[in-house]
Amino acid sequence: EVQLVESGGGLVQPGRSLRLSCAASGFTFDDYAMHWVRQAPGKGLEWVSGISWNSGSIGYADSVKGRFTISRDNAKNSLYLQMNSLRAEDTALYYCAKGDYDFWSGYGHWGQGTLVTVSS
Amino acid sequence: QSALTQPRSVSGSPGQSVTISCTGTSSDVGGYNYVSWYQQHPGKAPKLMIYDVSKRPSGVPDRFSGSKSGNTASLTISGLQAEDEADYYCCSYAGSYTSRSVFGTGTKVTVL
Repeated sequence: EVQLVESGGGLVQPGRSLRLSCAASGFTFDDYAMHWVRQAPGKGLEWVSGISWNSGSIGYADSVKGRFTISRDNAKNSLYLQMNSLRAEDTALYYCAKGDYDFWSGYGHWGQGTLVTVSS
Repeated sequence: QSALTQPRSVSGSPGQSVTISCTGTSSDVGGYNYVSWYQQHPGKAPKLMIYDVSKRPSGVPDRFSGSKSGNTASLTISGLQAEDEADYYCCSYAGSYTSRSVFGTGTKVTVL
């Protein structure tokens, strides 16, 4: 059974940094692209970033480009999101999602999310 | 990058069909066959219902179908059931100059 477990969320002041992690199990991690998707409280879904199986292809939403960095450690079956210069508008539930098919085909499995709150 | 445009809400009675539209541009929906649809119940993680415009993942009922014409993609739910009441989001690759994806604004489906 595919499992994705996010961690690292919490309350952080504007301008500070936070690193999210996603522990994957139940599938061959280095066979698949992985993504981060976020959802602000009471709002819709927003794609944040994606990374190919070998980290050779990476993409970011314009809203986070230059501030967030996605990475993965295939030996540890883990996905990461380094978030710097955090802003109030980054407050959201952050989901880790598995790209089940082609890199951009769709996100077939999701974690339960980790909540990031940016506030002074 | 603007979100794809979806109707705020659609409704139907049990057994009826409803269609949700997802309008983008030639730089996203119209330019690639990478449209996916997600169902989200309150307090739950999204669930993939359609990928690559019209393909259904294993386990998704064939009542759910997807299509695309020009810059608009559509999700049709046939034989509407009570458990279909949820929020639905479309998503499309929006490459062109940089690799990225964009979600739709979301549609609330109400079963009357």
